[in-house]
Amino acid sequence: ETGVTQSPTHLIKTRGQQVTLRCSSQSGHNTVSWYQQALGQGPQFIFQYYREEENGRGNFPPRFSGLQFPNYSSELNVNALELDDSALYLCASRNDRNTGELFFGEGSRLTVL
Amino acid sequence: QKEVEQDPGPLSVPEGAIVSLNCTYSNSAFQYFMWYRQYSRKGPELLMYTYSSGNKEDGRFTAQVDKSSKYISLFIRDSQPSDSATYLCAMSLSNTGKLIFGQGTTLQVKP
Repeated sequence: ETGVTQSPTHLIKTRGQQVTLRCSSQSGHNTVSWYQQALGQGPQFIFQYYREEENGRGNFPPRFSGLQFPNYSSELNVNALELDDSALYLCASRNDRNTGELFFGEGSRLTVL
Repeated sequence: QKEVEQDPGPLSVPEGAIVSLNCTYSNSAFQYFMWYRQYSRKGPELLMYTYSSGNKEDGRFTAQVDKSSKYISLFIRDSQPSDSATYLCAMSLSNTGKLIFGQGTTLQVKP
């Protein structure tokens, strides 16, 4: 049990639509990261938020955006969905005062038709 | 060339065997090294976390980091069917939430 919960667990969208995925972290975990995991691949870093500000981004276009809230919850928004966006989206959090282990949620599986 | 290379397997071993999982990497600046286990349809679960070079042991699991060779390993002793999962290596430049993952190795331990 990592204390990181994500919703929804599964969802289906069509090309061109927009999606919002949600994550709730442990109390005290000030850093949240989002990852995309395609089938058969390792997770790829999308971006990271620290104290409600984005402070690191991977090689993803601007249609991937996020928010972090003071209550340790966060969102990943994806606009203009493409077929290749079909993947497992993982949220991970850490407490920057400890050794830095990253704890993942179970993920939201997005299918784009 | 990917920053982190990991043989995807699948790797199949009998129960009780010693399993060796490996990753190579190209960026000598990586300082933090991790191994995650991921069961089907689940999120990655942190197994081992190592800073810089050396060995770390936790029960049946031993992680090794050889920065001179840019090579990390995870050994599983007395493997069990419950160890059947995908094992992901991950590393980072600094103590942040940005990790670079390998592709993952699928392990099956047969009873």
